[in-house]
Amino acid sequence: EPEVTQTPSHQVTQMGQEVILRCVPISNHLYFYWYRQILGQKVEFLVSFYNNEISEKSEIFDDQFSVERPDGSNFTLKIRSTKLEDSAMYFCASSESLPATQYFGPGTRLTVL
Amino acid sequence: AQRVTQPEKLLSVFKGAPVELKCNYSYSGSPELFWYVQYSRQRLQLLLRHISRESIKGFTADLNKGETSFHLKKPFAQEEDSAMYYCALIIQGAQKLVFGQGTRLTINP
Repeated sequence: EPEVTQTPSHQVTQMGQEVILRCVPISNHLYFYWYRQILGQKVEFLVSFYNNEISEKSEIFDDQFSVERPDGSNFTLKIRSTKLEDSAMYFCASSESLPATQYFGPGTRLTVL
Repeated sequence: AQRVTQPEKLLSVFKGAPVELKCNYSYSGSPELFWYVQYSRQRLQLLLRHISRESIKGFTADLNKGETSFHLKKPFAQEEDSAMYYCALIIQGAQKLVFGQGTRLTINP
């Protein structure tokens, strides 16, 4: 069964550094998402992406964040200048259509020191 | 704003006992509701969605619009049901899932 994959599984970075989190959505899916979960808190929506552009974003998704689909398979989340409070588990998800089931990747644990 | 509330952070029941995980939502329209499960060291995966009205792994959930609830139930818990359970909703026209806090279910032998 096809699955969403994410790399790396764990990323440690220094405050102020840029990070890029990578995701490979399920191949026939058209909608892509990023969520995050700070330790002990809810899973929170960051952004959705369709047809090569952002279709919805939350107030968390400020100018420090960007998303890109650089080729036919990868979907990336970039954080330009990381802060301590960006430490969280970041989940990528994809779906075939709306409002179809969203399939989640295993997550990338980001630790900002 | 839409909100999903799971009042129990932790729930512990014995194997073979019935289990009910509570979920309430606040939204004036007709949302689509989901239960996701996360087993130890695994990814979030869909358990069931209200629109399909299926029973998965013996779990069922009924949408009660009057009480704005979508409680998850299973008549006889099994040890392999131990996991983190998240209730979530999508409102009409939106794309984002709004999650509850999650309930950690532990099934004791």
